[in-house]
Amino acid sequence: QQPVQSPQAVILREGEDAVINCSSSKALYSVHWYRQKHGEAPVFLMILLKGGEQKGHEKISASFNEKKQQSSLYLTASQLSYSGTYFCGTETDRGSTLGRLYFGRGTQLTVWP
Amino acid sequence: GAGVSQSPRYKVTKRGQDVALRCDPISGHVSLYWYRQALGQGPEFLTYFNYEAQQDKSGLPNDRFSAERPEGSISTLTIQRTEQRDSAMYRCASSPNPGPNYGYTFGSGTRLTVV
Repeated sequence: QQPVQSPQAVILREGEDAVINCSSSKALYSVHWYRQKHGEAPVFLMILLKGGEQKGHEKISASFNEKKQQSSLYLTASQLSYSGTYFCGTETDRGSTLGRLYFGRGTQLTVWP
Repeated sequence: GAGVSQSPRYKVTKRGQDVALRCDPISGHVSLYWYRQALGQGPEFLTYFNYEAQQDKSGLPNDRFSAERPEGSISTLTIQRTEQRDSAMYRCASSPNPGPNYGYTFGSGTRLTVV
């Protein structure tokens, strides 16, 4: 049930844009996005619930396509501080596993000045 | 507390020994989760609690692993008869309520090394 993230790694210049994709083989109830810097804990960015909504957080936004069981994270005009590994976490049912997330293997984003 | 606190930060133990990892969630957070993260991988679910009740332990690898949260606050993850394959970063996370409307706040983790 682990979601598949792509690409595995992205290298950008400051100011460039990037898209990170997360795809699941199972129907999704919600998708979480986290960023983890080297040697630190993952930090919550945003959550998307089924319904196809799009959310934004500064210059980072995300979409959720329930039918395609996919979510995408959009980073625009990237800053040096955006560097890190991005994880999507998917929630695939709301029964006894309420709140349990399956995490992808991560996308390593590096922003150069 | 201000964040999720885990102790110890680092634990080196000999194969066959028991270890106890502690998690102190954000005050008032109902849900507490244990994950394990291998180097270069995403967190892998182990178990979680709402208040003191263990809701799902299906992610625990085998019966050497157990967890408790007796008073609905601090939680302990215990690994008995440790093996080298248990070496990993063990992360605790908490959220205000069960359900999809809140993200996790992760702790800094306990790096377990079994030698």
